[in-house]
Amino acid sequence: QSVLTQPPSASGTPGQRVTISCSGSSSNIGSNTVKWYQQLPGTAPKLLIYSNNQRPSGVPDRFSGSKSGTSASLAISGLQSEDEADYYCAAWDDSLKGVFGGGTKLTVL
Amino acid sequence: QLRLQESGPGLVKPSETLSLTCTVSGGSISSSRYYWGWIRQPSGKGLEWIGTVYNSGSTYYNPSLQSRLTISVDTSKKHFSLKMSSMTAADTAVYYCTEGILGLNGGFEIWGQGTVVTVSS
Repeated sequence: QSVLTQPPSASGTPGQRVTISCSGSSSNIGSNTVKWYQQLPGTAPKLLIYSNNQRPSGVPDRFSGSKSGTSASLAISGLQSEDEADYYCAAWDDSLKGVFGGGTKLTVL
Repeated sequence: QLRLQESGPGLVKPSETLSLTCTVSGGSISSSRYYWGWIRQPSGKGLEWIGTVYNSGSTYYNPSLQSRLTISVDTSKKHFSLKMSSMTAADTAVYYCTEGILGLNGGFEIWGQGTVVTVSS
């Protein structure tokens, strides 16, 4: 059972905008920043978003993050076939531990 | 560009201690701006944070693993290490070493390719 809650799956067609939610609590998302990772099949995760809505250099602006209260969302606009991957949210918890969501498998139809 | 490479045994016997090393290349390991982490992923499952060590000296461990863990940085050898004792089958996973910079607010930007660790007699 993951500390952060994500839907197990999401889907969209090319060009569409999709969002993935991540729900936590006051001790993690509510009081700390959210990160999002993309994991393509058979590869290591890649940092997509940090500090709730900041993109590391090289991440396309099609990816955006937001946070409100104890929930966060990742939005992918102009969906592409290469976006098919697992997506994980993460945050620091005030109990001094890192926590992840269970992951969302995104399918591009 | 910083690169990370995990090394260690692919097979560990139950009750033994796992020792993994992450070699850092392409940059400085000693900058106080960096922090280093270990994350694991059982086959077909999600990510689990193991621990993070800051070059400033602080170390944080997953409370569920803390009693079995030691994470350390050896700047002279340009690597950082993970030791996990009393291994069981539940510890079978891909283990990733990771790097982050202050400013990423705990996010890990650089990842090793991962090393598969199987616990079996």
